[in-house]
Amino acid sequence: DSGVTQTPKHLITATGQRVTLRCSPRSGDLSVYWYQQSLDQGLQFLIQYYNGEERAKGNILERFSAQQFPDLHSELNLSSLELGDSALYFCASSVAGTTGELFFGEGSRLTVL
Amino acid sequence: AQSVTQPDIHITVSEGASLELRCNYSYGATPYLFWYVQSPGQGLQLLLKYFSGDTLVQGIKGFEAEFKRSQSSFNLRKPSVHWSDAAEYFCAVAITGFQKLVFGTGTRLLVSP
Repeated sequence: DSGVTQTPKHLITATGQRVTLRCSPRSGDLSVYWYQQSLDQGLQFLIQYYNGEERAKGNILERFSAQQFPDLHSELNLSSLELGDSALYFCASSVAGTTGELFFGEGSRLTVL
Repeated sequence: AQSVTQPDIHITVSEGASLELRCNYSYGATPYLFWYVQSPGQGLQLLLKYFSGDTLVQGIKGFEAEFKRSQSSFNLRKPSVHWSDAAEYFCAVAITGFQKLVFGTGTRLLVSP
């Protein structure tokens, strides 16, 4: 158990819909990262937050957004969903704002039908 | 652009045999390198990391990796594989002041009896 909690574990929805994925980092970790894992793209970095502020941005679509709240949990919002958004979305956390060891949650598997 | 290449998509090793998983990186500055393992249905777990110093690093579960700057490689090794090592292994490099990890495409390890 990494200490990172992601909900929901599985989510099935339809194209055009909007979903929110939630992540609770390990106790004491200020930094949260979101990654997307799909068969064709592999593990892609989406975005990083540190203590509530956006720190780095990767291949995140404009239809996607994220935020980190004062209690340090984070949410990834995916809107206008397309079939290609079906993937495993991982949240990870680390102690400081720099990348050392990332602790990954078990992921949220999104299926868009 | 920074990248990580894992040339082997699948590798099958007999239980008790030695293992070497290949990783090559492309990065202009001194890289910070990682190996992660993903068991089925699980998140990623850090096996080991290289930041500086001794080029042979030891990790958990009996794994080690050697950084070779001249070959831009960071290969993962284990002298004797156990059936429980069957998983997917990801090499990663930290870029842009450590703020995110770039992952390779992964190598799936199968262990035969």
